[in-house]
Amino acid sequence: KNEVEQSPQNLTAQEGEFITINCSYSVGISALHWLQQHPGGGIVSLFMLSSGKKKHGRLIATINIQEKHSSLHITASHPRDSAVYICAAYTGNQFYFGTGTSLTVIP
Amino acid sequence: KAGVTQTPRYLIKTRGQQVTLSCSPISGHRSVSWYQQTPGQGLQFLFEYFSETQRNKGNFPGRFSGRQFSNSRSEMNVSTLELGDSALYLCASSLSPGGYPNTEAFFGQGTRLTVV
Repeated sequence: KNEVEQSPQNLTAQEGEFITINCSYSVGISALHWLQQHPGGGIVSLFMLSSGKKKHGRLIATINIQEKHSSLHITASHPRDSAVYICAAYTGNQFYFGTGTSLTVIP
Repeated sequence: KAGVTQTPRYLIKTRGQQVTLSCSPISGHRSVSWYQQTPGQGLQFLFEYFSETQRNKGNFPGRFSGRQFSNSRSEMNVSTLELGDSALYLCASSLSPGGYPNTEAFFGQGTRLTVV
């Protein structure tokens, strides 16, 4: 049983498309993190959410605490957005990670 | 502002040996956490340190240990290496544990460990 489930596992989009990645979790959280990992391994923290919605450029993250669900949206996708996106639930004691969504944006 | 620095970047060790990895957090950050990433298991939490104290530990055997120094630099040690320990080991630093509630966590580039 995975504490954090992500969907889809793989996603291919045309440049300019609107993209949504979903994350459901079963643990009680202090915060929900969205991470981006490019080939080569480097991880960048995109958002940390404990409620509501955050926006940074073309990226939007939302969380519904009651439904234990978060979404990451990318508007006007670009090939440089191609990466693995990982959802991580922080319980206050440790992190539980989703298996990641591999996104490929085709020019 | 310098980012999180992990050394070494690559390491090859023989089964049965031990290894020490280092993580220097962003200046001012007192929380350092460690993660293992493998193709099969994905990212898994190893442990978290805050102000030289281990706050939490993931579900890893006792061969995995760590410590944090007064300057917030952290080391993790793996003894009696097994082939399955081959992985990318990542550390992250933040102002507070888990980044919550102050800020998100900042990750290093990782140390890729290969056990042969």
